[in-house]
Amino acid sequence: KAGVTQTPRYLIKTRGQQVTLSCSPISGHRSVSWYQQTPGQGLQFLFEYFSETQRNKGNFPGRFSGRQFSNSRSEMNVSTLELGDSALYLCASSLGHVSVYEQYFGPGTRLTVT
Amino acid sequence: TQLLEQSPQFLSIQEGENLTVYCNSSSVFSSLQWYRQEPGEGPVLLVTVVTGGEVKKLKRLTFQFGDARKDSSLHITAAQPGDTGLYLCAGVGSSNTGKLIFGQGTTLQVKP
Repeated sequence: KAGVTQTPRYLIKTRGQQVTLSCSPISGHRSVSWYQQTPGQGLQFLFEYFSETQRNKGNFPGRFSGRQFSNSRSEMNVSTLELGDSALYLCASSLGHVSVYEQYFGPGTRLTVT
Repeated sequence: TQLLEQSPQFLSIQEGENLTVYCNSSSVFSSLQWYRQEPGEGPVLLVTVVTGGEVKKLKRLTFQFGDARKDSSLHITAAQPGDTGLYLCAGVGSSNTGKLIFGQGTTLQVKP
């Protein structure tokens, strides 16, 4: 069974630009969560989608948004990029609620904002 | 806001030594998970502990959930270079928000 895939793996953007990251979950998984990982803040929850609906949201500004498609694939978008948005963005998929089902993480997208 | 504090942040030991990583909070968690992350990869789940006082063993790794479900520990016996990586604890809030709250992580280096 293929794992969680994220594209692109590496991305360099300039301040003020916007970026879209993509995540393909494991086949059959309907829940997709996004996390931001930085050396200073660690792993922080961005949002979770389940069956195309945002179910949970972390404490990030409105510049961070996401969506999920009918095939469970998910995208996250960051508008008006800031230097502090440089991070590893991780996507995780699961069959359902994280308290019951294991989350499987993708390898992440390394975003660098210059 | 629920927070998880991990200690130590960095650990560099010789092969064969034992170590313990702690994960503490002032909040109660319905369950707690431990992950290991290697460079260039996403975290991989090692174990989930659910019941207060629960102890789980995974080969040389022993995980314990505190009686009050506010803290957890990971003990590695006779560490090997293959244990090198970033260890993360993550809690599922008792308010059942459905999101994982991660600790800052412990970077472990085991030298041969």
